[in-house]
Amino acid sequence: DIQMTQSPASLSASLEEIVTITCQASQDIGNWLAWYQQKPGKSPQLLIYDATSLADGVPSRFSGSRSGTQYSLKISRLQVEDIGSYYCQQAHSNPPTFGGGTKLELK
Amino acid sequence: QVQLQQSGAELVKPGSSVKISCKASGYTFTSYDMHWIKQQPGNGLEWIGWIYPGNGNTKYNQKFNGKATLTADKSSSTAYMQLSSLTSEDSAVYFCARGYDGTYYPYVMDAWGQGASVTVSS
Repeated sequence: DIQMTQSPASLSASLEEIVTITCQASQDIGNWLAWYQQKPGKSPQLLIYDATSLADGVPSRFSGSRSGTQYSLKISRLQVEDIGSYYCQQAHSNPPTFGGGTKLELK
Repeated sequence: QVQLQQSGAELVKPGSSVKISCKASGYTFTSYDMHWIKQQPGNGLEWIGWIYPGNGNTKYNQKFNGKATLTADKSSSTAYMQLSSLTSEDSAVYFCARGYDGTYYPYVMDAWGQGASVTVSS
């Protein structure tokens, strides 16, 4: 199985701050990478697919990028409603696998 | 809008089976894959498998072969997952999720149910 190593595991940031979460794939997955947000007590929601494409209804302060097998999710100006956990997921091959998650809290 | 309504929490005994449902609305049920995902506290997310309700085709994570069985009822737009020979390791929240695009992004999930908690305990 493809391993997805996500960092940091937890992050504390201030409102309006820029936040970056990274994910390293254990092998080449091209752009087959998705990011999900999970708010406390809720189900995950798709944020980004194809490494850089924003899902419908997702605010433009979210963006995704790729450099080789390293992927990043950036929140340009952190808002209160962005608090929660974030997961990367490789969508390249069976079984699709998720990163361990990043818990984002307000400082 | 797309909605996936899952069945409620289950408390089941070790060695038994449980069947979780996921009723879909707001889209053509038979045209999209339905995925199932397991979430345990501290263990992140694990993909179990998918079913294509249009023809009943399934694909599983090898880890869940023999543990999970996916079915779908087109008449009620409801997907099901049965988990068998339950142990404490199966205690988790289970999500159903719609596949975004079966052709180009088969493993991307764009709408999720609210989750169904399964607790295995004697």
